[in-house]
Amino acid sequence: GENVEQHPSTLSVQEGDSAVIKCTYSDSASNYFPWYKQELGKGPQLIIDIRSNVGEKKDQRIAVTLNKTAKHFSLHITETQPEDSAVYFCAAVDEKLTFGTGTRLTIIP
Amino acid sequence: DTAVSQTPKYLVTQMGNDKSIKCEQNLGHDTMYWYKQDSKKFLKIMFSYNNKELIINETVPNRFSPKSPDKAHLNLHINSLELGDSAVYFCASSQDILAGGGLTDTQYFGPGTRLTVL
Repeated sequence: GENVEQHPSTLSVQEGDSAVIKCTYSDSASNYFPWYKQELGKGPQLIIDIRSNVGEKKDQRIAVTLNKTAKHFSLHITETQPEDSAVYFCAAVDEKLTFGTGTRLTIIP
Repeated sequence: DTAVSQTPKYLVTQMGNDKSIKCEQNLGHDTMYWYKQDSKKFLKIMFSYNNKELIINETVPNRFSPKSPDKAHLNLHINSLELGDSAVYFCASSQDILAGGGLTDTQYFGPGTRLTVL
Protein backbone atom coordinates (compact mmCIF):
# COMPACT_ATOMS: atom_id res chain seq x y z
CA GLY A 1 0.00 0.00 0.00
CA GLU A 2 0.87 3.67 -0.13
CA ASN A 3 3.38 5.11 2.33
CA VAL A 4 3.70 8.88 2.74
CA GLU A 5 6.63 10.42 4.58
CA GLN A 6 6.55 14.04 5.69
CA HIS A 7 9.34 16.36 6.90
CA PRO A 8 9.97 18.18 9.10
CA SER A 9 7.80 17.10 12.01
CA THR A 10 8.08 20.55 13.59
CA LEU A 11 8.92 23.88 11.98
CA SER A 12 9.26 27.33 13.55
CA VAL A 13 9.36 30.32 11.25
CA GLN A 14 9.59 34.04 11.88
CA GLU A 15 6.47 35.91 10.84
CA GLY A 16 6.82 37.12 7.28
CA ASP A 17 9.29 34.40 6.30
CA SER A 18 8.50 31.39 4.13
CA ALA A 19 7.79 27.83 5.27
CA VAL A 20 8.37 24.68 3.24
CA ILE A 21 7.06 21.21 4.05
CA LYS A 22 8.13 18.20 2.01
CA CYS A 23 6.53 14.84 1.38
CA THR A 24 7.45 11.70 -0.49
CA TYR A 25 5.17 8.87 -1.51
CA SER A 26 5.76 5.30 -2.57
CA ASP A 27 2.90 4.27 -4.88
CA SER A 28 3.37 5.52 -8.44
CA ALA A 29 -0.37 4.97 -9.02
CA SER A 30 -1.24 7.84 -6.65
CA ASN A 31 -2.68 10.68 -8.71
CA TYR A 32 -4.08 13.25 -6.31
CA PHE A 33 -2.19 15.07 -3.57
CA PRO A 34 -4.16 17.24 -1.13
CA TRP A 35 -2.78 19.28 1.74
CA TYR A 36 -4.75 19.71 4.95
CA LYS A 37 -4.41 22.20 7.80
CA GLN A 38 -5.55 21.15 11.24
CA GLU A 39 -6.03 23.78 13.93
CA LEU A 40 -6.25 22.86 17.59
CA GLY A 41 -9.48 21.04 18.41
CA LYS A 42 -10.70 21.01 14.79
CA GLY A 43 -10.83 18.61 11.90
CA PRO A 44 -8.40 18.77 8.96
CA GLN A 45 -9.35 21.39 6.36
CA LEU A 46 -8.22 21.24 2.75
CA ILE A 47 -6.02 24.20 1.84
CA ILE A 48 -4.71 23.24 -1.58
CA ASP A 49 -4.43 20.17 -3.78
CA ILE A 50 -2.64 19.10 -6.92
CA ARG A 51 -3.32 16.38 -9.45
CA SER A 52 -0.72 14.27 -11.19
CA ASN A 53 -1.02 16.03 -14.55
CA VAL A 54 0.14 19.33 -13.02
CA GLY A 55 3.59 20.28 -11.73
CA GLU A 56 2.73 23.35 -9.70
CA LYS A 57 -0.32 25.13 -8.33
CA LYS A 58 -0.61 28.42 -6.47
CA ASP A 59 -3.34 30.02 -4.39
CA GLN A 60 -2.36 33.41 -2.97
CA ARG A 61 0.36 32.75 -0.36
CA ILE A 62 0.22 28.97 -0.72
CA ALA A 63 1.80 26.91 -3.47
CA VAL A 64 2.30 23.22 -4.03
CA THR A 65 4.80 21.51 -6.33
CA LEU A 66 4.80 17.93 -7.55
CA ASN A 67 7.62 15.86 -9.02
CA LYS A 68 6.06 12.60 -10.14
CA THR A 69 9.33 11.12 -11.31
CA ALA A 70 10.92 11.53 -7.90
CA LYS A 71 7.61 10.99 -6.06
CA HIS A 72 8.06 14.25 -4.15
CA PHE A 73 5.61 17.01 -3.43
CA SER A 74 5.99 20.14 -1.33
CA LEU A 75 3.94 22.88 0.29
CA HIS A 76 5.25 26.43 0.26
CA ILE A 77 3.74 29.18 2.39
CA THR A 78 5.06 32.69 1.80
CA GLU A 79 4.71 35.80 3.98
CA THR A 80 3.69 33.67 6.94
CA GLN A 81 1.24 35.04 9.49
CA PRO A 82 0.43 33.96 13.06
CA GLU A 83 -2.82 32.37 11.87
CA ASP A 84 -0.76 29.97 9.74
CA SER A 85 0.27 28.20 12.96
CA ALA A 86 -1.27 24.72 12.84
CA VAL A 87 -0.49 21.11 12.01
CA TYR A 88 -0.21 20.49 8.26
CA PHE A 89 -0.74 17.11 6.62
CA CYS A 90 0.14 16.04 3.13
CA ALA A 91 -1.70 13.11 1.60
CA ALA A 92 -1.57 10.90 -1.45
CA VAL A 93 -4.59 9.29 -3.05
CA ASP A 94 -4.86 6.17 -5.13
CA GLU A 95 -7.72 3.98 -3.93
CA LYS A 96 -7.80 5.75 -0.57
CA LEU A 97 -6.36 8.80 1.11
CA THR A 98 -3.09 8.11 2.95
CA PHE A 99 -1.86 10.90 5.20
CA GLY A 100 1.68 11.94 6.00
CA THR A 101 2.75 12.13 9.62
CA GLY A 102 2.10 15.85 10.01
CA THR A 103 4.16 19.01 10.51
CA ARG A 104 3.53 21.31 13.43
CA LEU A 105 4.17 24.82 12.08
CA THR A 106 4.67 27.63 14.55
CA ILE A 107 4.87 31.22 13.35
CA ILE A 108 6.89 33.39 15.70
CA PRO A 109 5.55 36.98 15.87
CA ASP B 1 -25.08 25.19 8.25
CA THR B 2 -22.24 22.85 9.29
CA ALA B 3 -21.16 20.66 6.38
CA VAL B 4 -20.02 17.56 8.31
CA SER B 5 -21.14 17.26 11.91
CA GLN B 6 -20.37 14.71 14.58
CA THR B 7 -21.84 13.97 17.99
CA PRO B 8 -20.72 13.86 20.66
CA LYS B 9 -17.64 16.09 20.61
CA TYR B 10 -16.26 14.43 23.74
CA LEU B 11 -16.92 10.92 25.01
CA VAL B 12 -15.47 9.55 28.25
CA THR B 13 -16.31 5.99 29.15
CA GLN B 14 -15.12 2.92 31.01
CA MET B 15 -13.32 -0.05 29.49
CA GLY B 16 -15.72 -2.73 28.32
CA ASN B 17 -18.58 -0.37 27.53
CA ASP B 18 -20.29 -0.03 24.15
CA LYS B 19 -20.60 3.44 22.59
CA SER B 20 -21.68 5.10 19.35
CA ILE B 21 -20.53 8.19 17.48
CA LYS B 22 -22.86 9.79 14.96
CA CYS B 23 -21.97 11.62 11.76
CA GLU B 24 -24.11 13.59 9.34
CA GLN B 25 -23.23 15.51 6.20
CA ASN B 26 -25.47 18.00 4.41
CA LEU B 27 -23.27 18.35 1.31
CA GLY B 28 -25.17 15.81 -0.76
CA HIS B 29 -22.04 13.65 -0.99
CA ASP B 30 -22.14 9.98 -1.91
CA THR B 31 -19.18 8.76 0.11
CA MET B 32 -18.46 8.95 3.84
CA TYR B 33 -15.47 7.89 5.90
CA TRP B 34 -14.25 7.29 9.42
CA TYR B 35 -10.68 8.13 10.40
CA LYS B 36 -8.79 7.59 13.66
CA GLN B 37 -6.21 10.12 14.89
CA ASP B 38 -3.99 8.83 17.69
CA SER B 39 -2.12 10.77 20.34
CA LYS B 40 0.80 11.35 17.94
CA LYS B 41 -1.59 12.95 15.44
CA PHE B 42 -1.34 10.05 12.95
CA LEU B 43 -4.48 10.00 10.80
CA LYS B 44 -5.57 6.65 9.42
CA ILE B 45 -8.62 5.61 7.49
CA MET B 46 -10.87 3.03 9.10
CA PHE B 47 -13.89 2.70 6.80
CA SER B 48 -15.50 4.23 3.77
CA TYR B 49 -19.08 3.89 2.56
CA ASN B 50 -20.44 4.82 -0.85
CA ASN B 51 -24.22 5.10 -1.11
CA LYS B 52 -24.62 3.04 2.07
CA GLU B 53 -22.29 0.30 0.77
CA LEU B 54 -19.03 -0.55 2.54
CA ILE B 55 -16.07 0.16 0.25
CA ILE B 56 -13.01 0.21 2.51
CA ASN B 57 -12.46 -1.68 5.75
CA GLU B 58 -8.90 -1.16 6.90
CA THR B 59 -8.21 -4.17 9.15
CA VAL B 60 -10.14 -2.58 11.95
CA PRO B 61 -11.12 -4.92 14.84
CA ASN B 62 -14.64 -6.22 14.42
CA ARG B 63 -15.56 -4.47 17.69
CA PHE B 64 -15.94 -1.44 15.38
CA SER B 65 -19.08 -1.56 13.27
CA PRO B 66 -20.07 1.29 10.97
CA LYS B 67 -23.69 1.74 10.01
CA SER B 68 -25.06 3.89 7.22
CA PRO B 69 -28.84 4.29 7.43
CA ASP B 70 -28.76 6.63 4.43
CA LYS B 71 -26.06 8.31 2.41
CA ALA B 72 -26.09 11.42 4.62
CA HIS B 73 -25.30 9.50 7.81
CA LEU B 74 -22.50 7.19 8.87
CA ASN B 75 -22.44 6.12 12.49
CA LEU B 76 -19.68 4.25 14.28
CA HIS B 77 -20.51 1.75 16.99
CA ILE B 78 -17.74 0.38 19.19
CA ASN B 79 -18.24 -2.69 21.39
CA SER B 80 -16.18 -3.69 24.42
CA LEU B 81 -14.09 -0.53 24.47
CA GLU B 82 -10.38 -0.89 25.20
CA LEU B 83 -7.80 1.60 26.47
CA GLY B 84 -6.17 1.62 23.04
CA ASP B 85 -9.36 2.90 21.46
CA SER B 86 -8.74 6.31 23.04
CA ALA B 87 -8.24 8.70 20.14
CA VAL B 88 -9.97 11.39 18.12
CA TYR B 89 -12.33 9.97 15.52
CA PHE B 90 -13.09 12.02 12.41
CA CYS B 91 -15.91 11.57 9.98
CA ALA B 92 -15.44 12.85 6.42
CA SER B 93 -17.36 12.93 3.17
CA SER B 94 -16.63 13.35 -0.54
CA GLN B 95 -18.68 13.71 -3.68
CA ASP B 96 -18.01 10.45 -5.41
CA ILE B 97 -15.81 7.43 -5.77
CA LEU B 98 -14.58 6.09 -9.09
CA ALA B 99 -15.92 2.80 -10.35
CA GLY B 100 -12.40 1.40 -10.19
CA GLY B 101 -12.19 2.26 -6.52
CA GLY B 102 -10.16 5.44 -6.81
CA LEU B 103 -11.15 8.62 -5.04
CA THR B 104 -12.14 11.43 -7.29
CA ASP B 105 -12.80 14.31 -5.01
CA THR B 106 -11.92 16.34 -1.99
CA GLN B 107 -12.76 14.99 1.43
CA TYR B 108 -14.40 17.31 3.97
CA PHE B 109 -13.82 16.50 7.61
CA GLY B 110 -16.02 16.89 10.65
CA PRO B 111 -14.81 18.48 13.90
CA GLY B 112 -13.90 15.17 15.51
CA THR B 113 -14.99 13.17 18.55
CA ARG B 114 -12.43 12.79 21.33
CA LEU B 115 -12.95 9.36 22.86
CA THR B 116 -11.30 8.64 26.21
CA VAL B 117 -11.47 5.13 27.61
CA LEU B 118 -10.68 4.84 31.31
